[in-house]
Amino acid sequence: EAGVTQSPTHLIKTRGQQATLRCSPISGHTSVYWYQQALGLGLQFLLWYDEGEERNRGNFPPRFSGRQFPNYSSELNVNALELEDSALYLCASSRRGGSSYNEQFFGPGTRLTVL
Amino acid sequence: AQSVTQLDSQVPVFEEAPVELRCNYSSSVSVYLFWYVQYPNQGLQLLLKYLSGSTLVKGINGFEAEFNKSQTSFHLRKPSVHISDTAEYFCAVSGLNNNDMRFGAGTRLTVKP
Repeated sequence: EAGVTQSPTHLIKTRGQQATLRCSPISGHTSVYWYQQALGLGLQFLLWYDEGEERNRGNFPPRFSGRQFPNYSSELNVNALELEDSALYLCASSRRGGSSYNEQFFGPGTRLTVL
Repeated sequence: AQSVTQLDSQVPVFEEAPVELRCNYSSSVSVYLFWYVQYPNQGLQLLLKYLSGSTLVKGINGFEAEFNKSQTSFHLRKPSVHISDTAEYFCAVSGLNNNDMRFGAGTRLTVKP
């Protein structure tokens, strides 16, 4: 069974540009989660999508947004990039969230560098 | 909301020595607790989890953790570490709906020969 995949592996942008990161969940998983891992800050919860809807959001500004497609893959968009957006962005997937425990499986991440 | 504090940012230890990585959490409701490991340039892998039942939880690679509700702690232990255990370890907590997982800042375990 294929794991969670993310693309691209690395992404280099300049301040003010937009970045788009992609995630494909494990087959059969309907929930996708996004996390930001900035240097020295650990992992911060960004967004949770399930069945195509945004279900929960972490403490991030609106320029962080995303969507989930009918095939349950997901995009994370970061607009008006700032230097402090440089981080490893991790995607995780699980069977439907919101009820009881469903293990989150993580992808390898996309390393975003903002110059 | 829940929160997690990992008390040590770095833990150096010699090979075959025991190790304990400390984690304390804060929550007003019942929680699930997790330990994840991240090897260099890789994503996170679940080491072990506490959902309910026995407070001593055994995970992969010989790790175990004990849930202590009175001390709101979930410390990770291994009786004898290997060089290959060198990695970043994250403690995490979530509510029982498990859709809002909060991570600690991480502990870098370095095992020296």
